[in-house]
Amino acid sequence: GENVEQHPSTLSVQEGDSAVIKCTYSDSASNYFPWYKQELGKRPQLIIDIRSNVGEKKDQRIAVTLNKTAKHFSLHITETQPEDSAVYFCASAGSGNTGKLIFGQGTTLQVKP
Amino acid sequence: GAVVSQHPSWVICKSGTSVKIECRSLDFQATTMFWYRQFPKQSLMLMATSNEGSKATYEQGVEKDKFLINHASLTLSTLTVTSAHPEDSSFYICSARGPGSGNTIYFGEGSWLTVV
Repeated sequence: GENVEQHPSTLSVQEGDSAVIKCTYSDSASNYFPWYKQELGKRPQLIIDIRSNVGEKKDQRIAVTLNKTAKHFSLHITETQPEDSAVYFCASAGSGNTGKLIFGQGTTLQVKP
Repeated sequence: GAVVSQHPSWVICKSGTSVKIECRSLDFQATTMFWYRQFPKQSLMLMATSNEGSKATYEQGVEKDKFLINHASLTLSTLTVTSAHPEDSSFYICSARGPGSGNTIYFGEGSWLTVV
């Protein structure tokens, strides 16, 4: 079945440094790749997404890159701040525009002041 | 953005009883809703896809007779956990999409279920 692998499971960085989280997906027909930030006990919040016809997308301190050939996509956070500390999930949605998301395992990001 | 609301936010029930969780799209018609379960410190696991007016499609390993899903209207889907057991204790989250949401997926606030 469809599978999304996410690494690392935990990431600790110093405030101001960059953080990179990587995901790979198994379904070559996947065409939508969102990233979510989740704080404890709350709903996932969409922070950025990318579609398969684009290789890179940036929104202020956050960027996502997609390599369709290798079936990899990555989240880049620059100039990290303590409030960036949370659990981040990548996800992929298959073809057919069903909206069905398969999530990665999550990365706990800790930004130390 | 569009709003998806879940109720209740948290519920405690006795083992063997059933509990119903509601997921509502407040400002758009949700043709499709999804139900996820999330155990502490784990990822969101898709349980089922709910399409308005038809039977839900369950993911492999999810018992459809235990987790009853009803999507009778374009703004409401319900998840009923039947004969709940302590191992069913989890965070249940719905998401919804539809033409009115731009086909973007919106998540509900989630519902904490504790079975004692």
